[in-house]
Amino acid sequence: GAVVSQHPSRVICKSGTSVKIECRSLDFQATTMFWYRQFPKKSLMLMATSNEGSKATYEQGVEKDKFLINHASLTLSTLTVTSAHPEDSSFYICSANVKGPNTEAFFGQGTRLTVV
Amino acid sequence: AQSVTQLDSQVPVFEEAPVELRCNYSSSVSVYLFWYVQYPNQGLQLLLKYLSGSTLVESINGFEAEFNKSQTSFHLRKPSVHISDTAEYFCAVSPKTSYDKVIFGPGTSLSVIP
Repeated sequence: GAVVSQHPSRVICKSGTSVKIECRSLDFQATTMFWYRQFPKKSLMLMATSNEGSKATYEQGVEKDKFLINHASLTLSTLTVTSAHPEDSSFYICSANVKGPNTEAFFGQGTRLTVV
Repeated sequence: AQSVTQLDSQVPVFEEAPVELRCNYSSSVSVYLFWYVQYPNQGLQLLLKYLSGSTLVESINGFEAEFNKSQTSFHLRKPSVHISDTAEYFCAVSPKTSYDKVIFGPGTSLSVIP
């Protein structure tokens, strides 16, 4: 199946710094990618839809100035957590779809962010 | 809008016993249905999906799920679980009109007891 690669898998940063997470579709083009956040022992909450060449669409309650999304090419979307704080610590996962009749969302392996 | 309910947050079961993880959904449009599995400290993996056709779908590792339109359910079952099945299981839906977007249920933590 299609492969979505997410980098880094783990990152620890100091409070107040910014962290960039990359999501790449390795063997297909994705005009749309999705970013999810998973709190401990909770489900995945959709944060935003990343659209190639245009602004991301954020879900209600997600701060777009804190979670900057850039989808500069058909194979790469980035999520930047700006001025990170301990409450931003979480597991972030991206997904992308291969469009077609038997579609499914392919997920990256996730990034565990710890802000200290 | 769509929503997914998984009534059981935790399911402990003895090894080799059968298990059923329940999933119900609501949607104003037709949806695709999925079960994803997340092993400890790992990302999501697609376990099985229902797109159309036969309402009973199976995975390669012995799980099966049946789509019941009248009850808006997609319960996951396995006749005999193994220790390695211990994981978090997420039921999810995706509207057919916007199949990229996946809406997840809260998850069920399956613990297989030796």
